[in-house]
Amino acid sequence: NAGVTQTPKFQVLKTGQSMTLQCAQDMNHEYMSWYRQDPGMGLRLIHYSVGAGITDQGEVPNGYNVSRSTTEDFPLRLLSAAPSQTSVYFCASSYAGGYNTEAFFGQGTRLTVV
Amino acid sequence: AQSVTQLDSHVSVSEGTPVLLRCNYSSSYSPSLFWYVQHPNKGLQLLLKYTSAATLVKGINGFEAEFKKSETSFHLTKPSAHMSDAAEYFCVVSDPTDSSYKLIFGSGTRLLVRP
Repeated sequence: NAGVTQTPKFQVLKTGQSMTLQCAQDMNHEYMSWYRQDPGMGLRLIHYSVGAGITDQGEVPNGYNVSRSTTEDFPLRLLSAAPSQTSVYFCASSYAGGYNTEAFFGQGTRLTVV
Repeated sequence: AQSVTQLDSHVSVSEGTPVLLRCNYSSSYSPSLFWYVQHPNKGLQLLLKYTSAATLVKGINGFEAEFKKSETSFHLTKPSAHMSDAAEYFCVVSDPTDSSYKLIFGSGTRLLVRP
């Protein structure tokens, strides 16, 4: 069982370039989200979606865009990469709502912006 | 607003000795609480989660956590450390009434296990 799949695993971008980080899940989860992980700061929520066609901003949304056309896919777009976006990005999915809903995470994408 | 504080950024233990990773939370509601583990260059894996059924929660790989409401703590323990336990551990809180289902992560504790 695949779970949550992220591509690519590694990426180097030049400042100003754009790219899309892909995320797909095969568990039929309503809820999907993107986090970034920076040293000493844990993970911070970028954007999330509670279902196809519905997205909203998290804690650190600036410079990122998302869409959710299907239940399975939730791509994250960097519009114009900046060195401050150098980070490790994680996609997560879960059943929406309820107490103690476990989130399932992808393997992460390590992004470097030079 | 909810928050979570992991009291130690690094913990070093010898193999076979007990592990204690400390976590305090702040929440206006009865929170959801989790511990996740991240091995080097890997994604995050759920160790255990708090349900209101019991204050002592058992997880995978011999880990446990005790929910203490009076102390707003959810410390993670293991009786005997193994080399494979070396990883980063995150205490996570979530407000079950928040429609964003946002997870609030602590800053992480890196566990080092000495042979």
